[in-house]
Amino acid sequence: QKEVEQNSGPLSVPEGAIASLNCTYSDRVSQSFFWYRQYSGKSPELIMSIYSNGDKEDGRFTAQLNKASQYVSLLIRDSQPSDSATYLCAVNMKGRDDKIIFGKGTRLHILP
Amino acid sequence: SAVISQKPSRDICQRGTSLTIQCQVDSQVTMMFWYRQQPGQSLTLIATANQGSEATYESGFVIDKFPISRPNLTFSTLTVSNMSPEDSSIYLCSVPKGNYGYTFGSGTRLTVV
Repeated sequence: QKEVEQNSGPLSVPEGAIASLNCTYSDRVSQSFFWYRQYSGKSPELIMSIYSNGDKEDGRFTAQLNKASQYVSLLIRDSQPSDSATYLCAVNMKGRDDKIIFGKGTRLHILP
Repeated sequence: SAVISQKPSRDICQRGTSLTIQCQVDSQVTMMFWYRQQPGQSLTLIATANQGSEATYESGFVIDKFPISRPNLTFSTLTVSNMSPEDSSIYLCSVPKGNYGYTFGSGTRLTVV
């Protein structure tokens, strides 16, 4: 099993709708989880971090974490064309030099 | 949060040659990480660079191919040695961003011809 798994997409969502991005991870002792946004030709940009079970909201973004199910998701409300990018799920591997392992990313396309 | 200056931003190199990529951080950090992003792919960790010790390489990456230097707490280099077209990728350095994940350099886009 891969350490961090995401659907590669593309995921197409109409403008104004909710985009839902999902990620599963294999390491049960992982403590920190991140969502990065990457525009084509650019470096990844951190948009959300979450450490506890439940929801964490920041503007139009909500991260959800369920450690029992080893599942983390990102919801984007009121999707905008500027949200079109690749979203990378990343997990901090505690006990392995604190390094972050990335999923393959989900390409999101917001339809105007 | 830390600001990283990475250079070169891009280069086109002949096969068999080597390229050294530099990352300068505006604050002291214990760990720096080097990633590779092949075309259309996600980020793959190459190695972890701690100041004062040998870099720790991930499976599939070896020191002879990707030597790393970490002379102080604000600087690191990654060399891509004896390059082949398969090494054409974006190479990124990153550092911890407090308790809020990692921040990345702007990347080096390498094309080997």
